[in-house]
Amino acid sequence: EVVMTQSPATLSVSQGERATLSCRASQGVSSDLAWYQLKPGQPPRLLIYGASIRATGIPARFSGSGSGTEFTLTISSLQSEDFAVYYCQQYNNWPPLTFGGGTKVEIK
Amino acid sequence: EVQLVESGGGLVQPGGSLRLSCSASGFTFSGYTMQWVRQAPGKGLEYVAAISSNGGFTYYADSVKGRFTISRDTSKTTLFLLMSSLRPEDTAFYYCVKGRTSGWYIPFDCWGEGTLVTVSS
Repeated sequence: EVVMTQSPATLSVSQGERATLSCRASQGVSSDLAWYQLKPGQPPRLLIYGASIRATGIPARFSGSGSGTEFTLTISSLQSEDFAVYYCQQYNNWPPLTFGGGTKVEIK
Repeated sequence: EVQLVESGGGLVQPGGSLRLSCSASGFTFSGYTMQWVRQAPGKGLEYVAAISSNGGFTYYADSVKGRFTISRDTSKTTLFLLMSSLRPEDTAFYYCVKGRTSGWYIPFDCWGEGTLVTVSS
């Protein structure tokens, strides 16, 4: 099983600032990496797949990068609606598909 | 618009059973792999079960194998999760999830709002 490790667990950022979230895989997963956003009371939302491809309707301030074992999600200028928990997921090795432990982005 | 609407959650005693349903609309249901993913209180996401687009192949996490059964009814565009021998550690929000394609090695492009299952005496 591929273990996904996200850091930091919590990120305190001011509105308008850049947020950088990290995700590391225990073995190479090529570019088969997705990012999801979870907000209370809302269904989780796919942000990025293929490590860097924005899903339909996702604003350009969200960008993903990386391949192999190291990945990054960047939110270029945090908006109020971006404060949430973010999860990475690898889909290169199955079964199972595995998620990271999440990074909570909170208001500084 | 793609929609996934779960139902069937609730409070159940340890050892009991529950059947979750997920009504799907807005896409060709028979063309996509479907999943159940859960999130226990204060915990992360866990990939629980998956079923191929034609229903012929299934996957279960070790934590639920032998106790949970995933199935789908193409005519009713509905996904099911039959849960038996429930344990307190099965307490979680259960999300119905659509795969981006018909394969197994896929991201998940649409999630339902979730249904809460609480296992407690």
